[in-house]
Amino acid sequence: AQKITQTQPGMFVQEKEAVTLDCTYDTSDQSYGLFWYKQPSSGEMIFLIYQGSYDEQNATEGRYSLNFQKARKSANLVISASQLGDSAMYFCAMREDFGFGNEKLTFGTGTRLTIIP
Amino acid sequence: DSGVTQTPKHLITATGQRVTLRCSPRSGDLSVYWYQQSLDQGLQFLIQYYNGEERAKGNILERFSAQQFPDLHSELNLSSLELGDSALYFCASSAGTSGGGETQYFGPGTRLLVL
Repeated sequence: AQKITQTQPGMFVQEKEAVTLDCTYDTSDQSYGLFWYKQPSSGEMIFLIYQGSYDEQNATEGRYSLNFQKARKSANLVISASQLGDSAMYFCAMREDFGFGNEKLTFGTGTRLTIIP
Repeated sequence: DSGVTQTPKHLITATGQRVTLRCSPRSGDLSVYWYQQSLDQGLQFLIQYYNGEERAKGNILERFSAQQFPDLHSELNLSSLELGDSALYFCASSAGTSGGGETQYFGPGTRLLVL
């Protein structure tokens, strides 16, 4: 079974600094996908960024980038120039594919990020 | 706004009761997924539907059932509710193809409180 590990329960970062949120994963599949979602205090789950296991380049989306190190099985989220609105829970997730479009996401326990003004 | 809608936003009910949570996927999406987020178990996958058919299944309790209708909206039915069923229930949708692999976009969730 797949497993996602997020070892940082909480982080405090000064506004405008860069922050790295750690995520390691465990899978025996050759093809998989890794996602990061943001959950603000209001509760919704917001998709941030995706990395496919065969993608050679690290994914980037605006201020978000994914530091993908396949051999180390890590998929860390990097947020550049943090803003107060970045304060939220962040979840790393892996797609488990059962074939024929049957799939699910397995989530880590999350990291609560607080941006300090 | 992800384009996925869920109703109701909040639900308060008593133990032993039955509730129905509703989800409308993004326009054009064929796959719908249900997830439960609780303090003790985190985010857990419950079940997936694709174009009306049940597909992947997680550790969904027998007291819980779901379906996807011809207009692609989905309902999650929770019966014989227990205190431990109190959680945030998310619906997500993706385009859904035979190869899979698309991003799942989440709705705002339904917060269920069982008293």
